[in-house]
Amino acid sequence: EVLLEESGGGLVQPGGSLRLSCVASGFTFNRHEMNWVRQAPGKGLEWISYISTSGSTIFYADSVKDRFIISRDSARNSIFLQMNSLRAEDTALYYCARVAYSSSWSSKGGFDMWGQGTMVTVSS
Amino acid sequence: DIQMVQSPSTLSASVGDRVTITCRASQSISNWLAWYQQKPGKAPKLLIYKASSLENGVPSRFSGSGSGTEFTLTISTLQPDDFATYYCQQYNGYSWTFGQGTKVEVK
Repeated sequence: EVLLEESGGGLVQPGGSLRLSCVASGFTFNRHEMNWVRQAPGKGLEWISYISTSGSTIFYADSVKDRFIISRDSARNSIFLQMNSLRAEDTALYYCARVAYSSSWSSKGGFDMWGQGTMVTVSS
Repeated sequence: DIQMVQSPSTLSASVGDRVTITCRASQSISNWLAWYQQKPGKAPKLLIYKASSLENGVPSRFSGSGSGTEFTLTISTLQPDDFATYYCQQYNGYSWTFGQGTKVEVK
């Protein structure tokens, strides 16, 4: 079964840190670019970070730049999101998501696999 | 940054209706647009990619069109399972932006 499973969420005080993990199974993890997307309660989707297959190319949304760090570990089929200097507005459900590719291995541009999400609450 | 604006924000419809949702980009994105369906408590599901290509396993009543800055998602005959929130998403060189969402609700 093809699966993405996030963990590491929880309650943290403003200014604190948290590290999220996303473990992949059922597909060749090393061939896929990965992303983190979040959704505040009752709100829409917000892309926040991308990492290439090798981990050498990384991008962030302006809202998290200089505070969050994305990484990946091919040996553990995992990506991570180190979140520092957390703010109330970072409260959200955090999803990891896989970039979709066609059978000829051209990017579809969208995300074809998502985890179930892990909830992060920033509050004192 | 490229902004995406969907309309309407809420759409009331009945089973069997033809439904159209519009997404507008703040600058040209060629055909790098995807559509997702999200149900409460669930992760988004990819429906359409590259503006008009149907993702594997998605019913053919869903279709997408457009290029440049104007895009549409059409559900030809609304089914009970289609009541959900729909999001467009643009891709522009390692940056993605979602529209604010369109909730399709029962009329």
